[in-house]
Amino acid sequence: GENVEQHPSTLSVQEGDSAVIKCTYSDSASNYFPWYKQELGKRPQLIIDIRSNVGEKKDQRIAVTLNKTAKHFSLHITETQPEDSAVYFCAALNSGNTPLVFGKGTRLSVIA
Amino acid sequence: SAVISQKPSRDICQRGTSLTIQCQVDSQVTMMFWYRQQPGQSLTLIATANQGSEATYESGFVIDKFPISRPNLTFSTLTVSNMSPEDSSIYLCSVEPGGGYGYTFGSGTRLTVV
Repeated sequence: GENVEQHPSTLSVQEGDSAVIKCTYSDSASNYFPWYKQELGKRPQLIIDIRSNVGEKKDQRIAVTLNKTAKHFSLHITETQPEDSAVYFCAALNSGNTPLVFGKGTRLSVIA
Repeated sequence: SAVISQKPSRDICQRGTSLTIQCQVDSQVTMMFWYRQQPGQSLTLIATANQGSEATYESGFVIDKFPISRPNLTFSTLTVSNMSPEDSSIYLCSVEPGGGYGYTFGSGTRLTVV
């Protein structure tokens, strides 16, 4: 089955700097890669996702890139703000109505 | 996207008892997924619940311990049975609203077993 590795496990950046979180997946049939943000005590919230027919997707300060050949995808957050501090999870799946497989998460701290 | 109401939001239970967690979705969905999230950890899939059939459990999770009901396309329950302190965790339900993307989560149930 699918296996998703996520790095780093913790990341501290200065406010205004960029943050990059990387994930690799094992199943070449996977075709959907979402990213979730989880603030303390709250549910995971979908912040951006990408399908395998697209190499990059942007939404304001966040972007996701996908390299299908290397089987890795990354989350990029620019101009970080203290409210970006949270745990971020990547995930992968290869067809709808199947469960997402999650990475272990990255705890991002943005230092003001 | 689908809106999920999950309850209870938290509970403190005595060991040996059972707790049933409910998830209600505002639209019909084929599959519902139940996850466990231990403190500081990622989400671990417990089982997949399809309406009209038995749930499919992941390795390490069994029906006797985590029975699941899925009576219709908008509702599911997860029961944590014969609880021990090791069951203390956050339990979340999740759905795929349709189209193969946009999975959403319930607000979670924080369970403490004493």
